[in-house]
Amino acid sequence: QQQVKQSPQSLIVQKGGISIINCAYENTAFDYFPWYQQFPGKGPALLIAIRPDVSEKKEGRFTISFNKSAKQFSLHIMDSQPGDSATYFCAARARNAGNNRKLIWGLGTSLAVNP
Amino acid sequence: EAGVVQSPRYKIIEKKQPVAFWCNPISGHNTLYWYRQNLGQGPELLIRYENEEAVDDSQLPKDRFSAERLKGVDSTLKIQPAELGDSAVYLCASSPESAGVSDTQYFGPGTRLTVL
Repeated sequence: QQQVKQSPQSLIVQKGGISIINCAYENTAFDYFPWYQQFPGKGPALLIAIRPDVSEKKEGRFTISFNKSAKQFSLHIMDSQPGDSATYFCAARARNAGNNRKLIWGLGTSLAVNP
Repeated sequence: EAGVVQSPRYKIIEKKQPVAFWCNPISGHNTLYWYRQNLGQGPELLIRYENEEAVDDSQLPKDRFSAERLKGVDSTLKIQPAELGDSAVYLCASSPESAGVSDTQYFGPGTRLTVL
């Protein structure tokens, strides 16, 4: 069972356009929602993260929008650049008894930004 | 600051052979993770260490996989014997906090394993 559902699987955007990737979750106990960026041959790297007490977080060209009632969050990349071409993963942290933190990952979105 | 170091970067072995991966986390990071990433999928947690203690190994296939983190620094992940389905990228990550509110994980470049 996929606890964090990510869409689309792949995305092609023109340079300067807006890239939007969506994620949905079911577990209301999730309390931390990061987005990771992964380039080919590299490990994932944290891009931006949000907690459920805010509805939006912006860092440069990257924005997370969070809708707690709908249990959805999305990544917006403004003014997309060819260098943004990578795979993007959303994730959510489940904090259960014993402080056993675990990140639950989406399946990833392959983004290609055409020059 | 040096990042997470993993070796080897690539490994090709025949099925039923043993293989080992090594990870050196970022200095001072007491939490260490081993993940497996299949092509086109997100990372799947295999085991998490807090210092020397494996606090979550529920997803580790213990019949063939083993891991250790002696002295709470470097870690080794072993597969014996390897199967065709073990072909994947094995990622190591570390995190500076064991019980904090931040969960930033810093990943190494991974080891790409091919089992023939």
